[in-house]
Amino acid sequence: SQQGEEDPQALSIQEGENATMNCSYKTSINNLQWYRQNSGRGLVHLILIRSNEREKHSGRLRVTLDTSKKSSSLLITASRAADTASYFCATVNNAGNMLTFGGGTRLMVKP
Amino acid sequence: EPEVTQTPSHQVTQMGQEVILRCVPISNHLYFYWYRQILGQKVEFLVSFYNNEISEKSEIFDDQFSVERPDGSNFTLKIRSTKLEDSAMYFCASSRQGFSTDTQYFGPGTRLTVL
Repeated sequence: SQQGEEDPQALSIQEGENATMNCSYKTSINNLQWYRQNSGRGLVHLILIRSNEREKHSGRLRVTLDTSKKSSSLLITASRAADTASYFCATVNNAGNMLTFGGGTRLMVKP
Repeated sequence: EPEVTQTPSHQVTQMGQEVILRCVPISNHLYFYWYRQILGQKVEFLVSFYNNEISEKSEIFDDQFSVERPDGSNFTLKIRSTKLEDSAMYFCASSRQGFSTDTQYFGPGTRLTVL
């Protein structure tokens, strides 16, 4: 089984539209994190949401967490061409000693 | 803003050779990590390091791999005898506290190509 699966795998939208990416996981977590990766570059941490939190905001980003459904969503509002990147969710296990990444969503924002 | 740096950016080596990948974590961070990402696949956790010892490692981190903090600033990953399947991007990361409480900051990665 795989922890942290995103959908869709790829998403193409126009600038100004909102982008929603979903992540599902299988085992209990301590927290869930979202990262961004530009092509061929390192990972940039976007937001961390703890298992006792339901929603978190950071600028144009909104993350929700539903532990009963073992799922999370990342919403980017008013997208820009510069948001084009791959977005990964990653879960930290209950023991707090392992970070497991999902396969990512490739987002393309067309100008 | 402080950042994690990695050298080299690209390393090409022959199968069976040893490679050392270098990382300079953010200076006041206490936890250090290595991850790898095979082309087109997920980022995979390799190892975490705290207080001069390995705190966690994944199944990937077998006897061919080792990590070291040789001085107060560098953090290295050594692959003793490289295999073709070790070709990947290797990312170093660091954090002030562990996984459960703190953000990890990632370096830009080293692309390792094993021929």
